[in-house]
Amino acid sequence: QKEVEQNSGPLSVPEGAIASLNCTYSDRVSQSFFWYRQYSGKSPELIMSIYSNGDKEDGRFTAQLNKASQYVSLLIRDSQPSDSATYLCAVIGDDKIIFGKGTRLHILP
Amino acid sequence: DTEVTQTPKHLVMGMTNKKSLKCEQHMGHRAMYWYKQKAKKPPELMFVYSYEKLSINESVPSRFSPECPNSSLLNLHLHALQPEDSALYLCASSQQTSGMSSYEQYFGPGTRLTVT
Repeated sequence: QKEVEQNSGPLSVPEGAIASLNCTYSDRVSQSFFWYRQYSGKSPELIMSIYSNGDKEDGRFTAQLNKASQYVSLLIRDSQPSDSATYLCAVIGDDKIIFGKGTRLHILP
Repeated sequence: DTEVTQTPKHLVMGMTNKKSLKCEQHMGHRAMYWYKQKAKKPPELMFVYSYEKLSINESVPSRFSPECPNSSLLNLHLHALQPEDSALYLCASSQQTSGMSSYEQYFGPGTRLTVT
């Protein structure tokens, strides 16, 4: 059974600080990795995709991938109250997207 | 434009009713998906259509019946549902179902279904 693991949180981070969200996956051959943001009562929104080892930056978001360690992370710089949401890590396995259970992030004003 | 639309936004139905959920995308995507999401849980895959053909059915009960009339539209027909089927039903689309970036899925706003 292919798995994607995330700490459920809540992760509380002061406004303006860096939020660090982590994810591990079990399928060593996975090649595609995604981060989705989901506000309460809303649908998931794709915020980052990463396919190669290293860092990928987009505005205040940085995704980091380490395939050897089977680890993917999301950094949010200058955290804002509007970043408070559940962040879902997703990995492709068996030609299907497999979601982690999500980490609830709470930005403290 | 990365918009996927879904109708209705909310649906309340009895256990003997028949209803349909609708999904539409105009991004030229060739893969479309139905997910079910319960509160505080991740989305749970139900069906995948690739090039208008059903490619994955995750052992979903027959009271849920998907249909893909064309490459832009996806329906989910509902019949004789149970109260435990109450959930947020999400539609998503992606370019295809193979190739790394093709897996990027874009979700619609969902239909909040309540079965009474």
